[in-house]
Amino acid sequence: DTAVSQTPKYLVTQMGNDKSIKCEQNLGHDTMYWYKQDSKKFLKIMFSYNNKELIINETVPNRFSPKSPDKAHLNLHINSLELGDSAVYFCASSLSGSNQPQHFGDGTRLSIL
Amino acid sequence: DAKTTQPTSMDCAEGRAANLPCNHSTISGNEYVYWYRQIHSQGPQYIIHGLKNNETNEMASLIITEDRKSSTLILPHATLRDTAVYYCIVPSGGGADGLTFGKGTHLIIQP
Repeated sequence: DTAVSQTPKYLVTQMGNDKSIKCEQNLGHDTMYWYKQDSKKFLKIMFSYNNKELIINETVPNRFSPKSPDKAHLNLHINSLELGDSAVYFCASSLSGSNQPQHFGDGTRLSIL
Repeated sequence: DAKTTQPTSMDCAEGRAANLPCNHSTISGNEYVYWYRQIHSQGPQYIIHGLKNNETNEMASLIITEDRKSSTLILPHATLRDTAVYYCIVPSGGGADGLTFGKGTHLIIQP
């Protein structure tokens, strides 16, 4: 009965590669998010997305792109991986509208060699 | 998001009530206060949120001062599994653009 699930849980790859992280939610939510948690443990929003609008944090490099095949999925594609991309990436979802709690997945730990 | 201030860390004995304070003096009249926590190696977990009135659910209670400039999250009977980093967040726009997490309070429950 997992609410927000991410795959893979761990991802180890080399610099320059392209990779994707998948996220699925079964909560019936229509808004999904990607967050990045760096080595200092700060959690930062990368994207928020529903079927109407994509909001991008301006600090996110354009090598990162979210793709949503349907309301229940928001995948994160990363091109030309760099050492600084090493982090834990969290997917979250909520109902649209203000003041709706977000539900998070357990994260994907990305390590760049 | 309105700025929040929390102590860096706190200890609490197992079985006692854990009271976690948060200051949010710049909060606007229609902004909610949210609490999340992150247990080691897990994703953040929603706990509770409120606007003016005190709130209670199966996890915790939230006490908001009358002037709304501060709040306290209360875990009534803390267990070892409550050891986590607790985040107090006041999202602008209701959080629809994403949440801004600060450093939070590292709560350590002592046996």
